[in-house]
Amino acid sequence: EPEVTQTPSHQVTQMGQEVILRCVPISNHLYFYWYRQILGQKVEFLVSFYNNEISEKSEIFDDQFSVERPDGSNFTLKIRSTKLEDSAMYFCASSELVRRSGTQYFGPGTRLLVL
Amino acid sequence: DQQVKQNSPSLSVQEGRISILNCDYTNSMFDYFLWYKKYPAEGPTFLISISSIKDKNEDGRFTVFLNKSAKHLSLHIVPSQPGDSAVYFCAASSNTGNQFYFGTGTSLTVIP
Repeated sequence: EPEVTQTPSHQVTQMGQEVILRCVPISNHLYFYWYRQILGQKVEFLVSFYNNEISEKSEIFDDQFSVERPDGSNFTLKIRSTKLEDSAMYFCASSELVRRSGTQYFGPGTRLLVL
Repeated sequence: DQQVKQNSPSLSVQEGRISILNCDYTNSMFDYFLWYKKYPAEGPTFLISISSIKDKNEDGRFTVFLNKSAKHLSLHIVPSQPGDSAVYFCAASSNTGNQFYFGTGTSLTVIP
């Protein structure tokens, strides 16, 4: 069964450093998403991406964040200058159709720890 | 800003019995609701969804009920099995965007 994959599974970084989280969505999916979950808190939407552009973003997704689909398979989330509060589990998701009729399939997540 | 709330952080149920997980929401614009299941070290897995034009949706052992007037939905699992032990998230969205709002999750333990 096709699945969303994410690398790395864990990342430790120093505050102020740039990190890039990578995702390979399911191959025939057209919509891509990033979510994060701070330990003990709810899963929070960050951004959705379609047709090589951001279609929606939350208040969390400020200028420190960017997303890119650099080739036909990868979807990346970059945090330019990490802060302690960026420590969280980051989930990538993809769907064949947008929202309603399109179930979002999640990857296993990247646990980011900012020291 | 908790638009979707799951007030029970944990629930324990005997194998074979019914598990009922609850979720409340505040935004009257929400019209599509989902339940996800999450095992440790894995991403959330879609379980079942319901549109606001329905009040019930059933898929095997899983049934979701929606009470729009109370802004409440629930997930029933019957009979519960030990493999159902996981964290269950409810999520909601409105027709104004494709963002999902998640609850904080309920950890279900099914005791053999």
